[in-house]
Amino acid sequence: GQNIDQPTEMTATEGAIVQINCTYQTSGFNGLFWYQQHAGEAPTFLSYNVLDGLEEKGRFSSFLSRSKGYSYLLLKELQMKDSASYLCAVRESNYQLIWGAGTKLIIKP
Amino acid sequence: IAGITQAPTSQILAAGRRMTLRCTQDMRHNAMYWYRQDLGLGLRLIHYSNTAGTTGKGEVPDGYSVSRANTDDFPLTLASAVPSQTSVYFCASSETNTGELFFGEGSRLTVL
Repeated sequence: GQNIDQPTEMTATEGAIVQINCTYQTSGFNGLFWYQQHAGEAPTFLSYNVLDGLEEKGRFSSFLSRSKGYSYLLLKELQMKDSASYLCAVRESNYQLIWGAGTKLIIKP
Repeated sequence: IAGITQAPTSQILAAGRRMTLRCTQDMRHNAMYWYRQDLGLGLRLIHYSNTAGTTGKGEVPDGYSVSRANTDDFPLTLASAVPSQTSVYFCASSETNTGELFFGEGSRLTVL
């Protein structure tokens, strides 16, 4: 069956590094997305991985291992504005997206 | 500013009433989607449209209908609202059915 697992909530300190994991079991694989969603707002695109390896974009990096059904989002030099939910989504063979429930990241001073 | 506009932003509705959530995009994207987001669950796809004139059912289509008469508009209709349809509804679009999604600001619907 289809399943995407992410931790429900994580806490980190301003200026630190945090890694948010996502594991998936889906019908085929056509790429993995990470989105950021601030409370009461719309999700916004962060990253896309379709090949194994690390994609770096400023303070954010995303990693994918297709053989392990695993991805992580790495956030460096955490800022208070990074407090948000982070959504992992996998695109299946039929091009539909399956979404995880999201990880709520709390940043403390 | 280019993007997706949803209306209304928030609505309280009596059970049994008909309701249409509006969604308009000005990015000329081919694909459009309606999702619902409930606490503790991931976004769930209600209906989608890969191009104007076509629509498809998502994961949770029952009780909802859509139309795609042109590229820009993708309204979602609840024919007879029920309390379980209380949710936040997001409209989204993408250039193709393989691209990143752009989301509207959401419509918070409460059915009493």
